[in-house]
Amino acid sequence: KAGVTQTPRYLIKTRGQQVTLSCSPISGHRSVSWYQQTPGQGLQFLFEYFSETQRNKGNFPGRFSGRQFSNSRSEMNVSTLELGDSALYLCASDAQGATGTGELFFGEGSRLTVL
Amino acid sequence: AQRVTQPEKLLSVFKGAPVELKCNYSYSGSPELFWYVQYSRQRLQLLLRHISRESIKGFTADLNKGETSFHLKKPFAQEEDSAMYYCALSGRTGNQFYFGTGTSLTVIP
Repeated sequence: KAGVTQTPRYLIKTRGQQVTLSCSPISGHRSVSWYQQTPGQGLQFLFEYFSETQRNKGNFPGRFSGRQFSNSRSEMNVSTLELGDSALYLCASDAQGATGTGELFFGEGSRLTVL
Repeated sequence: AQRVTQPEKLLSVFKGAPVELKCNYSYSGSPELFWYVQYSRQRLQLLLRHISRESIKGFTADLNKGETSFHLKKPFAQEEDSAMYYCALSGRTGNQFYFGTGTSLTVIP
């Protein structure tokens, strides 16, 4: 099976712009979650989607949003970018069903730099 | 509040020596605990989870609810164990994981 695929891998934006990141989970996985990874804070949970519904949300401002499509692919969007949004954004998928919690399969990440 | 603490950012041990990576957590409920590992130029991946009670690559971890700890141990470190190790906690409502800040393990030949 192909692994979790994230696009783009690298991108540079300027303050005030917005960005959309994409994640294709492993085939058959219905849960997709997003994490922000920075050197100071480590991995921080953004949100999780299951069957097109946001199931959990982390403690991030409303500028961070996401969605999941019927084929389980997911996108996350960050509007009005700030310098502090520079990070590696990781997507992870999970084969578990509605009961949740299982083994996360991570993508390679999208490295966002905000200038 | 949910929190995972890994007190050591860096840990170096000699090959063949025992290794212990510390993890403490706080959670108001019954969490599931995991260890994830990231080898050089590879993706973050699951190493082991407490409910499985398995030994993976010689590593074991015991959940101590009294001390709220989930330390990762291996009796004899190998060079291929050099990696970044993350302790993680998950509640039972979907896949919301809380990760520690990680410990970089270096095994010296």
